[in-house]
Amino acid sequence: DTAVSQTPKYLVTQMGNDKSIKCEQNLGHDTMYWYKQDSKKFLKIMFSYNNKELIINETVPNRFSPKSPDKAHLNLHINSLELGDSAVYFCASSPWDRAYYGYTFGSGTRLTVV
Amino acid sequence: SQQGEEDPQALSIQEGENATMNCSYKTSINNLQWYRQNSGRGLVHLILIRSNEREKHSGRLRVTLDTSKKSSSLLITASRAADTASYFCATSQGGGSYIPTFGRGTSLIVHP
Repeated sequence: DTAVSQTPKYLVTQMGNDKSIKCEQNLGHDTMYWYKQDSKKFLKIMFSYNNKELIINETVPNRFSPKSPDKAHLNLHINSLELGDSAVYFCASSPWDRAYYGYTFGSGTRLTVV
Repeated sequence: SQQGEEDPQALSIQEGENATMNCSYKTSINNLQWYRQNSGRGLVHLILIRSNEREKHSGRLRVTLDTSKKSSSLLITASRAADTASYFCATSQGGGSYIPTFGRGTSLIVHP
């Protein structure tokens, strides 16, 4: 029944590794997002996809690569992980008509790089 | 990109009291949204108020928007311990983007 589901919930990995976070939504929304929340709870948009197409790509290192195989899925792959990548990553989705609707967030993936 | 700023950063009250949180922003917006985040969980959308609206209600929540002052407030009436969470405002500028930009949140603790 989960509307936006992310896996894994926790991820602990060593510096230099490559890891992926998966996200799926069953709401029929057109648009999906990745946000990063730092230790001070600041939420920053990273990417936005609409119907599998990238529409927003904020200033994010190119070690981060989103992939959207279809409009219900948006995965995040991170290469060569660094200590500063430790954060909570949230996937979210919304209808395309975002002027009128809020976002639905997943429960987050807590990434710890050691 | 513009960012909402919540005030206060932390708020501690007793059950039954009202809680008021404020959000200020810098440039004109299309809409403003409030979200709740319980510890270790994702954000839950509470209310979206458009720039041409002044007030919206949802259950015990009341949101006001003053575009002349570039500010919004979230009032939770008759608070409960279960309202303990962080509350974020997010502003969307429109112009084809509408990507909400979040503040750092207000941490609310409601004591039983």
